[in-house]
Amino acid sequence: SYELTQPPSVSVSPGQTARITCSGDALPKKYAYWYQQKSGRAPVLVIYEDTKRPSGILERFSGSSSGTMATLTISGAQVEDEADYYCYSTDRVFGGGTKLTVL
Amino acid sequence: EVQLVESGGGLVQPGGSLRLSCAASGSTFSSYWMSWVRQAPGKGLEWVADIKQDGSEKYYVDSVKGRFTISRDNAKNALYLQMNSLRSEDTAVYYCVREAPATATGYGDYFDYWGQGTLVTVSS
Repeated sequence: SYELTQPPSVSVSPGQTARITCSGDALPKKYAYWYQQKSGRAPVLVIYEDTKRPSGILERFSGSSSGTMATLTISGAQVEDEADYYCYSTDRVFGGGTKLTVL
Repeated sequence: EVQLVESGGGLVQPGGSLRLSCAASGSTFSSYWMSWVRQAPGKGLEWVADIKQDGSEKYYVDSVKGRFTISRDNAKNALYLQMNSLRSEDTAVYYCVREAPATATGYGDYFDYWGQGTLVTVSS
């Protein structure tokens, strides 16, 4: 079955750039999507179709995709960006999630 | 603004049944595929089931086939999940989620709006 692989955790200091990766064989042919889930809250779409930001999502969130890897970049990460981040591509399968710590 | 509000969660014994509901507003409900996605405590996201705009196509994750039934009532802007023969491993927060088509043809759908979720606990 199709899989998306993410690192379990990423840690940065406030103001640094955080990069979260997602790898999968379908990524060269399908878009990548990214969801932010803060503790106790529902997921929120932060990047769609590899690079697009929904209305209301801050500019420090950006996405890219090349070959079998997609990357969510948070430029100048803030404490309030601490959350779990999930990637999605196709076939109703999510990545395992990455816990971002900013401290 | 799109709003999805789930209800119907609670504590149920193994083997029991529960029906989840989702009330949708803020968009043309009948124009979209809809999904249920769940999240077990401390775990990641797992897609459970989805249904086509007119209800003519339904798909399920293997672990719930034959036990769960997804349905919708477009006149009421409502989505449902009937869950029977519940097991402890079904314990999770269940989210009602709208599916949106990707801009490019052939790139499938993605999940754009999520409800706040409703907790289902299966325990004796």
